[in-house]
Amino acid sequence: GIQVEQSPPDLILQEGANSTLRCNFSDSVNNLQWFHQNPWGQLINLFYIPSGTKQNGRLSATTVATERYSLLYISSSQTTDSGVYFCAVLTGGGNKLTFGTGTQLKVEL
Amino acid sequence: AAGVIQSPRHLIKEKRETATLKCYPIPRHDTVYWYQQGPGQDPQFLISFYEKMQSDKGSIPDRFSAQQFSDYHSELNMSSLELGDSALYFCASSLDPRTGNAPLHFGNGTRLTVT
Repeated sequence: GIQVEQSPPDLILQEGANSTLRCNFSDSVNNLQWFHQNPWGQLINLFYIPSGTKQNGRLSATTVATERYSLLYISSSQTTDSGVYFCAVLTGGGNKLTFGTGTQLKVEL
Repeated sequence: AAGVIQSPRHLIKEKRETATLKCYPIPRHDTVYWYQQGPGQDPQFLISFYEKMQSDKGSIPDRFSAQQFSDYHSELNMSSLELGDSALYFCASSLDPRTGNAPLHFGNGTRLTVT
């Protein structure tokens, strides 16, 4: 099956710093999404982005499908950004969304 | 806006018991998914339904079964529980992802503890 690798696995930032999270996938995808899992375990959908660039406030994402990667940018990070960020991809004609390995982010004061 | 509703939030069972988890998708969403997330792990796909029919199956043990009912709610039935089944179980819903813009929306999960 498809392999979805994220980097870095762990990241510690000072509040106000910017960061870039990367998601690499091993096969063509027709659906890519980014999620944030907060410290209480809730999974929040950040972006549906099979290709191109989208922005939502301090977050933006870019997917380059032909090169099989996606990037999530976090600007002016806040402590509430802490948690795990997952990318997830859908391949073929099914409904199985495969999650990546995640990036654990901690934003400190 | 209405979200995905899961119940119960927490469940404690003993080994070899059975458990039933319930999920109520967002209205008009025709696809429902179940995921299992162990401690420190990424969510693992179990099973999905499209228009009340099973559409995809992942690493779901034979001891587990699921169905989607006429009102679109779904239930995950787990029998002969084992210690290793302790995990956070998520339900998610979306429009049919094969037709375009269809982000998944997750419920708050059911934390199952098997003792």
